Amino acid sequence: QVQLEQSGAEVKKPGASVKVSCKASGYTFTGYYIHWVRQAPGQGLEWMGWINPSSGVTSYAQKFQGRVTVTRDTSISTAYMELSRLRSDDTAVYYCAREWAARPYYFDYWGQGTLVTVSP
Amino acid sequence: DIQMTQSPSSLSASVGERVTITCRASQSISTYVNWYQRKPGKAPKLLISAASTLQSGVPSRFSGSGSGTDFTLTISSLQPEDSATYFCQQSYTTPRTFGQGTRLEIK
Repeated sequence: QVQLEQSGAEVKKPGASVKVSCKASGYTFTGYYIHWVRQAPGQGLEWMGWINPSSGVTSYAQKFQGRVTVTRDTSISTAYMELSRLRSDDTAVYYCAREWAARPYYFDYWGQGTLVTVSP
Repeated sequence: DIQMTQSPSSLSASVGERVTITCRASQSISTYVNWYQRKPGKAPKLLISAASTLQSGVPSRFSGSGSGTDFTLTISSLQPEDSATYFCQQSYTTPRTFGQGTRLEIK
């Protein structure tokens, strides 16, 4: 069965970086895009960026340009999201989600979420 | 960016009631809208894709409709297990954007 298994919760200090992993199983990793979405406390879902695991091509939300990097390691079917220069308002649950790489696009499987807490 | 305005932000309804949640896009997006359900501590679950395609395994009491800018998620006969947060998403373009969510409570 399809699974996206994310790494565990993180606590970071302001200014630090965090790297969250998303290990895919149960399907061909390079056949679907991986997106990253976050939800801060009391806020809605916010799209951060995506990667085409086959080509490595990425695209990021303008808000996170320069601070977020999405990468993948196809040998272990894992995608990564690294967010740098963390601030307190980066405290959120971060999700990866799989998207079928053709129209109509939709996120058919999601990871369980990774809580990142940014606190002095 | 395409804005998705979802309403209501919360609602309370009784078992057996018909419930409707709406999403309005800031520009025409054809039928590129998806609906998700999220329960506390669980990953979001895709209910409906492309505005009206019910996903495999999703109860038939869920339905979606709309095109252009106005979209609707309907639960025809509310069940206790439908207590959750529901949100819409546009997949017409990136950035993929979401509605703010509707928290559905069972009376």
